[in-house]
Amino acid sequence: DTEVTQTPKHLVMGMTNKKSLKCEQHMGHRAMYWYKQKAKKPPELMFVYSYEKLSINESVPSRFSPECPNSSLLNLHLHALQPEDSALYLCASSQVEGAGNTIYFGEGSWLTVV
Amino acid sequence: RKEVEQDPGPFNVPEGATVAFNCTYSNSASQSFFWYRQDCRKEPKLLMSVYSSGNEDGRFTAQLNRASQYISLLIRDSKLSDSATYLCVASRSGSARQLTFGSGTQLTVLP
Repeated sequence: DTEVTQTPKHLVMGMTNKKSLKCEQHMGHRAMYWYKQKAKKPPELMFVYSYEKLSINESVPSRFSPECPNSSLLNLHLHALQPEDSALYLCASSQVEGAGNTIYFGEGSWLTVV
Repeated sequence: RKEVEQDPGPFNVPEGATVAFNCTYSNSASQSFFWYRQDCRKEPKLLMSVYSSGNEDGRFTAQLNRASQYISLLIRDSKLSDSATYLCVASRSGSARQLTFGSGTQLTVLP
């Protein structure tokens, strides 16, 4: 079982809704990530937090707003999404940020925007 | 040209067969390599890292050829439970932005 837990597992939201995805890890990792994955495509990096500070924002639209309340938690706030934002959103963590570090994924949150 | 390329498959093989996947990477600065496995509608899970000398983990063998810029994954005595998509990952030093996923190779092991 993954040690990165995500909630909710499934979310259906309207285009005017505000919702949040939550992620938690207790491995003492200091880097946490949000990835987006569409069907039959590889994961695409959205955001990276390193030591609770936003390190990377891959030009993600502002309707996605990340938050890192502490070293174990990572949120993704969603507002005014579009149907094309429907995807699997994966949270991940690694010991520290850096390409050589193994990344561990959570089970993901399936988001459907209607 | 994609930075990491994989044959998308699908590979359909009988149980007990040996199957090999190749993955090529275009950036010679890539330093670390991984194979991840992703089951249908599940998250990617690390299968194994790939070391320069090649490495083996049970029925799985990974090889790296830096001169030709490809990595491979060999699965021996394939099981039904090996059915999944296998993602090749290459990374350069530096930030997490340097981690690049291939599009994945789909494997179905048939009874």
